[in-house]
Amino acid sequence: GESVGLHLPTLSVQEGDNSIINCAYSNSASDYFIWYKQESGKGPQFIIDIRSNMDKRQGQRVTVLLNKTVKHLSLQIAATQPGDSAVYFCAETVGSNYQLIWGAGTKLIIKP
Amino acid sequence: GAGVSQSPSNKVTEKGKDVELRCDPISGHTALYWYRQSLGQGLEFLIYFQGNSAPDKSGLPSDRFSAERTGGSVSTLTIQRTQQEDSAVYLCASGSDFAGELFFGEGSRLTVL
Repeated sequence: GESVGLHLPTLSVQEGDNSIINCAYSNSASDYFIWYKQESGKGPQFIIDIRSNMDKRQGQRVTVLLNKTVKHLSLQIAATQPGDSAVYFCAETVGSNYQLIWGAGTKLIIKP
Repeated sequence: GAGVSQSPSNKVTEKGKDVELRCDPISGHTALYWYRQSLGQGLEFLIYFQGNSAPDKSGLPSDRFSAERTGGSVSTLTIQRTQQEDSAVYLCASGSDFAGELFFGEGSRLTVL
């Protein structure tokens, strides 16, 4: 069935470098995408979202890019800090459908 | 605090026992979800409540699982005759409507011996 997947289960990044976490989706009808961050022992926390009428959206130190042509979503974290260590999930949905389709997650490890 | 509160944070039970997990959503949030997360895995949808509408129970894995939401606020997830494969973290999330930004509790970690 339709699903959201991630290219890399684990990503190691040097502190201070930029991180790029990728997500592929297969449902071309999906028009709303969200990134969540889950720190160890905690529930996921909303980071940033983007609608399909946009290609890019920026937040504080984070940028989400959407490439609808290849059905690809990425989360860029600038100047990665130790506090960025977490598992990052992408999720998608169609319209106002409450059913989010969650990706498997990527674990981001920060090297000192 | 004003966040989503879940209790208990940890529950160890014996196989065959019933357990109840509680979720206090953010006041005024009409949407409430239950998810299950096994160690190192993603989120598995269990059930969704929205206002006074009939809940979407399509994610409940068996008839041993049930959930209710009283007065449009507090929700309880009940697992009857627990099995070892029920061991997981059960996460509750609430939202003001469906807008994508869900607020999660810290979860209830269930261990079935």
